[in-house]
Amino acid sequence: DTAVSQTPKYLVTQMGNDKSIKCEQNLGHDTMYWYKQDSKKFLKIMFSYNNKELIINETVPNRFSPKSPDKAHLNLHINSLELGDSAVYFCASQQQGAGLQGYTFGSGTRLTVV
Amino acid sequence: AQSVAQPEDQVNVAEGNPLTVKCTYSVSGNPYLFWYVQYPNRGLQFLLKYITGDNLVKGSYGFEAEFNKSQTSFHLKKPSALVSDSALYFCAVRDGRGGNNRLAFGKGNQVVVIP
Repeated sequence: DTAVSQTPKYLVTQMGNDKSIKCEQNLGHDTMYWYKQDSKKFLKIMFSYNNKELIINETVPNRFSPKSPDKAHLNLHINSLELGDSAVYFCASQQQGAGLQGYTFGSGTRLTVV
Repeated sequence: AQSVAQPEDQVNVAEGNPLTVKCTYSVSGNPYLFWYVQYPNRGLQFLLKYITGDNLVKGSYGFEAEFNKSQTSFHLKKPSALVSDSALYFCAVRDGRGGNNRLAFGKGNQVVVIP
């Protein structure tokens, strides 16, 4: 049973389109994140939600809009896709509270904008 | 801001030889450090973490890391590398801005284990 699952795994789309990526975690974690991994494999945080509340929004263009319907789900909607949006997007979850826990990552969504 | 640096782009090692992947950190306060591994077309997997306590931390797949406060380093080590250890390795540090437990990642090191 996958702990953090992302769909789709691959997404190829044309410039200007709008697309969504979905993420679900069944770990009962409080916090979920979106990271972008560029072509040089550098990981950059985009958003974080804690119990459905947005707590991090890192200088991401407002074409990117996260939505968290409940604490087990964090979706990413992207409007007016651009070539530079091509990357691998990773969802991760983390349990807060006593002790510092690391992340559990999804397997990633490879977005290619043509 | 808290940060980690991974000075090497790629580490090549012969199978059976010791493997070391370097990481240095820059933090204010106590460092909380992590290592993750990424296999091709996969998400990152947790290897180990240092929060407090023993400077030598043991993790998954036979990996360990040594926390060195005087050198501000947290190098990942494995005594005998396997071909299956070939992957991308990320060091990370807790970035406590805004009271959050988010992690800031280094740029990653590609490890190539040569048969």
